[in-house]
Amino acid sequence: DVKVTQSSRYLVKRTGEKVFLECVQDMDHENMFWYRQDPGLGLRLIYFSYDVKMKEKGDIPEGYSVSREKKERFSLILESASTNQTSMYLCASSSHTGRAFFGQGTRLTVV
Amino acid sequence: GQNIDQPTEMTATEGAIVQINCTYQTSGFNGLFWYQQHAGEAPTFLSYNVLDGLEEKGRFSSFLSRSKGYSYLLLKELQMKDSASYLCAVRDQAKAAGNKLTFGGGTRVLVKP
Repeated sequence: DVKVTQSSRYLVKRTGEKVFLECVQDMDHENMFWYRQDPGLGLRLIYFSYDVKMKEKGDIPEGYSVSREKKERFSLILESASTNQTSMYLCASSSHTGRAFFGQGTRLTVV
Repeated sequence: GQNIDQPTEMTATEGAIVQINCTYQTSGFNGLFWYQQHAGEAPTFLSYNVLDGLEEKGRFSSFLSRSKGYSYLLLKELQMKDSASYLCAVRDQAKAAGNKLTFGGGTRVLVKP
């Protein structure tokens, strides 16, 4: 069974902290994505990667960075967490077909 | 850029049919996906359309008209477990897009007994 695994389901961090969200997929997919999901705004793309060490900005990259050192792992980094980054974060991966498989999500609260 | 619109919420009765519309205006188009998302869970794939027409899969069907920038998801014989959000997503055509999906805001469907 295909799997996208995010390291935490729930996370509480303080303003100003550096936060790492990890995502691992076991499907050998080229593409990986980070979205955030907020009520009324749907899923918005933060960053994506179509190959190891490659990254592209999505629609809302400000305040975030990413790392893809290995094909199976895609990390989202909040350099200095702020309260407006409180959200549900969803990682996804896809192959050339475009069909995305999602992780269970990380609900991040910044206090 | 991409602009994808779908209704915020719909209510229907168990056993009935509901049609969720999605309109899009995009700079590139390489297919349209529908996903289902139950509260607190990850989105799961329902359907994919890249050519005009209707794709049927059991109780769920999806339709696409590329010239009109329009799709709909049809849910038949509604069951209580169909209460969920339904997300429309357009796949980008741009070369460096890496199969990027842009999502609409989602339609929350409430099925009543």
